[in-house]
Amino acid sequence: EPEVTQTPSHQVTQMGQEVILRCVPISNHLYFYWYRQILGQKVEFLVSFYNNEISEKSEIFDDQFSVERPDGSNFTLKIRSTKLEDSAMYFCASSGGQTSTDTQYFGPGTRLTVL
Amino acid sequence: KQEVTQIPAALSVPEGENLVLNCSFTDSAIYNLQWFRQDPGKGLTSLLLIQSSQREQTSGRLNASLDKSSGRSTLYIAASQPGDSATYLCAVSAYSGGGADGLTFGKGTHLIIQP
Repeated sequence: EPEVTQTPSHQVTQMGQEVILRCVPISNHLYFYWYRQILGQKVEFLVSFYNNEISEKSEIFDDQFSVERPDGSNFTLKIRSTKLEDSAMYFCASSGGQTSTDTQYFGPGTRLTVL
Repeated sequence: KQEVTQIPAALSVPEGENLVLNCSFTDSAIYNLQWFRQDPGKGLTSLLLIQSSQREQTSGRLNASLDKSSGRSTLYIAASQPGDSATYLCAVSAYSGGGADGLTFGKGTHLIIQP
């Protein structure tokens, strides 16, 4: 069964450094998302992406964040200057295939630790 | 702003029991509602999606209902098994017409099924 994949599974970085989190959505899906989950808290929506542009973003998704679909398969989240409070699990999701068009399918996540 | 609440926060029951997990949301103008399970340290697995025009959805031992006007959904698990032990998350999608709608999540119900 097709699935969303994410790399790396765990990223450790120093405060102020840039990180890029990578995702490969399900191949025939049209909509892509990033969410984060700070330890012990709710899953929070960051941004959605459709037709090579941002469709919707939350107030969390400020200027330090950016998303890109650099080729036909990858979807990336860049955090320009990481802060301690960016430490979280980051989930990529995709939806909009030929069946179950609205169901969002999530990847296994990237655990980001900012020191 | 949409708020999603899940009750109870934690539940422990003996194997074989039927159980109900509850989800409520403050803004009834939703597009759909999705139930997920999350295993420790893992991603989210989609269980059921209910469109706003639907009253319920079933998949195997799972049945989800939706009462949009009262802002409530329930997830019914029949004949529970130890493998059902996980955190169950409820999430709603607001109608924006754009197709790439971010989900608003509850904090989840942590379910333990005792063998």
